[in-house]
Amino acid sequence: DVKVTQSSRYLVKRTGEKVFLECVQDMDHENMFWYRQDPGLGLRLIYFSYDVKMKEKGDIPEGYSVSREKKERFSLILESASTNQTSMYLCASSFGASGGADTQYFGPGTRLTVL
Amino acid sequence: AQKVTQAQTEISVVEKEDVTLDCVYETRDTTYYLFWYKQPPSGELVFLIRRNSFDEQNEISGRYSWNFQKSTSSFNFTITASQVVDSAVYFCALSEEGGKLIFGQGTELSVKP
Repeated sequence: DVKVTQSSRYLVKRTGEKVFLECVQDMDHENMFWYRQDPGLGLRLIYFSYDVKMKEKGDIPEGYSVSREKKERFSLILESASTNQTSMYLCASSFGASGGADTQYFGPGTRLTVL
Repeated sequence: AQKVTQAQTEISVVEKEDVTLDCVYETRDTTYYLFWYKQPPSGELVFLIRRNSFDEQNEISGRYSWNFQKSTSSFNFTITASQVVDSAVYFCALSEEGGKLIFGQGTELSVKP
């Protein structure tokens, strides 16, 4: 079974803090994704990565950055957390076969609160 | 533009009722994939089904069934004889170039005993 893990289920941070959200997958997947989920808005893509050291902006990248130094690990960084970044953050990975549209497998999510 | 619409924000049913969750999509692509995910209260999205745009056969898996109609751009999900454990938020998603997915807003299903 595919296993995607996220470093924290719940996180509380202060405005202005630098926040790291970690995601690890154990299935040698090429693609990894970071989403945020807010009520009424569904899932919105923040950043994604097709390979080590590669990253692409999603629909809402402002205020975020990412790092992928190893294939299995994809980190989301909030450089200076703000209250409007309070949300549920979901990481996903997919195999990455050419042509796309592979199934994405999700981690348990991190509920981040910024005070 | 690519888009997925789940018009039902919340649905409440009584156990053993059948319930259908609607999903309507828009896409320019001739080849695409559609997905359904379940998000129980624990928060993790669980993959339910992936459907190729060339395969319009209905799919059945236990109490779950999916009706794909290309003519109406719909991919509806029916739960037969619903159970309390079916209570969750359900998301429909559409594939986009590069392996990305576009998600609908989600439908929160509440099954009461």
